[in-house]
Amino acid sequence: EDKVVQSPLSLVVHEGDTVTLNCSYEVTNFRSLLWYKQEKKAPTFLFMLTSSGIEKKSGRLSSILDKKELFSILNITATQTGDSAIYLCAGGAGYALNFGKGTSLLVTP
Amino acid sequence: EADIYQTPRYLVIGTGKKITLECSQTMGHDKMYWYQQDPGMELHLIHYSYGVNSTEKGDLSSESTVSRIRTEHFPLTLESARPSHTSQYLCASREDERTGYTFGSGTRLTVV
Repeated sequence: EDKVVQSPLSLVVHEGDTVTLNCSYEVTNFRSLLWYKQEKKAPTFLFMLTSSGIEKKSGRLSSILDKKELFSILNITATQTGDSAIYLCAGGAGYALNFGKGTSLLVTP
Repeated sequence: EADIYQTPRYLVIGTGKKITLECSQTMGHDKMYWYQQDPGMELHLIHYSYGVNSTEKGDLSSESTVSRIRTEHFPLTLESARPSHTSQYLCASREDERTGYTFGSGTRLTVV
């Protein structure tokens, strides 16, 4: 059975800290790994990773995939209160994405 | 600007009522999905569609049904709502397996 496991499930940090969110996966016919940010409404797309070892960056966020060890990390540097959200990881194979439970991040002032 | 729309945003209904959750997208995507999301739990796939007149059940057993008569429209129907159906329902679409989802804002359903 396919599964995606995220850790930690929740995290509280101070503004300015750097955080690393983890995602391990076991997905049959794996094609891609995706990260989403979910605040109060719809999850919004952050990154899609298909190749091992190639870092993707967007501002203070970055992510990398290790297809040998079957995991990905999402880094957020210089965190801000606006980064508070649930971060979802999903493994893509055939017909649909398999999601983890998410990491709930709270950034305090 | 959202290109995928869900209505209603919130809904409280009584047990036994029939309800339809609406989902429409303007991107021309063939692939559409319904997920159920409970606090602290994974998003669970309940239905998906590869195009008009194509619908499949997902991994999570569900008492709901869907239809896909038009590319842009993918409604989900509960014939007889129960308190166990209380959850958030997210609709999503994508162009193909090489791209990620675009999600709607969700419908938060409460059955009393």
